[in-house]
Amino acid sequence: EAGVTQFPSHSVIEKGQTVTLRCDPISGHDNLYWYRRVMGKEIKFLLHFVKESKQDESGMPNNRFLAERTGGTYSTLKVQPAELEDSGVYFCASSPNNSPLHFGNGTRLTVT
Amino acid sequence: AQSVTQLDSQVPVFEEAPVELRCNYSSSVSVYLFWYVQYPNQGLQLLLKYLSGSTLVKGINGFEAEFNKSQTSFHLRKPSVHISDTAEYFCAVTRARRNKLTFGTGTQLKVEL
Repeated sequence: EAGVTQFPSHSVIEKGQTVTLRCDPISGHDNLYWYRRVMGKEIKFLLHFVKESKQDESGMPNNRFLAERTGGTYSTLKVQPAELEDSGVYFCASSPNNSPLHFGNGTRLTVT
Repeated sequence: AQSVTQLDSQVPVFEEAPVELRCNYSSSVSVYLFWYVQYPNQGLQLLLKYLSGSTLVKGINGFEAEFNKSQTSFHLRKPSVHISDTAEYFCAVTRARRNKLTFGTGTQLKVEL
């Protein structure tokens, strides 16, 4: 089966610009998660979708971050406007139920 | 809330030597424990997991980990490492029957000839 796919793999933008990250989960996986790793620190939970509904968004840093999962398939994470501290690697993961997560390769975001 | 501590940020080891990567956690409720590995330019891959039952868990690529409830530890071991084991290893915990992972800061394992 195809794994979790994230696009783009890298993104370099200037402070104040907008960036949209995309995640395609494994087909049939209702659960979709976003995580982020800021350089040198731990991987932190951002939010969790069950199908198209946000189950838990307690990890979202602030209202500059907007996640959507229209139709319960792929998800997007938009950062607008981006700040320097948003730089890091954004991981997406999916699972069919309370099973271990399958992670994508991540998107490395650099804000200059 | 749960937390995870990986005391070693980097572990250098010679090929064919044994290795132990340490992980300690804290939680007031029952937990599931995981080790993930990230090879260069790749995503996170599940190495092994402890959900319940036997405290010694075997994973892929010859790795194993032992859950020690009294010491709140879940150390990862391999009796003989290979160059290809060079990667970053992450310990993670979640509340039992949940999937919201809390990760440690990672341990970079560097295997040298």
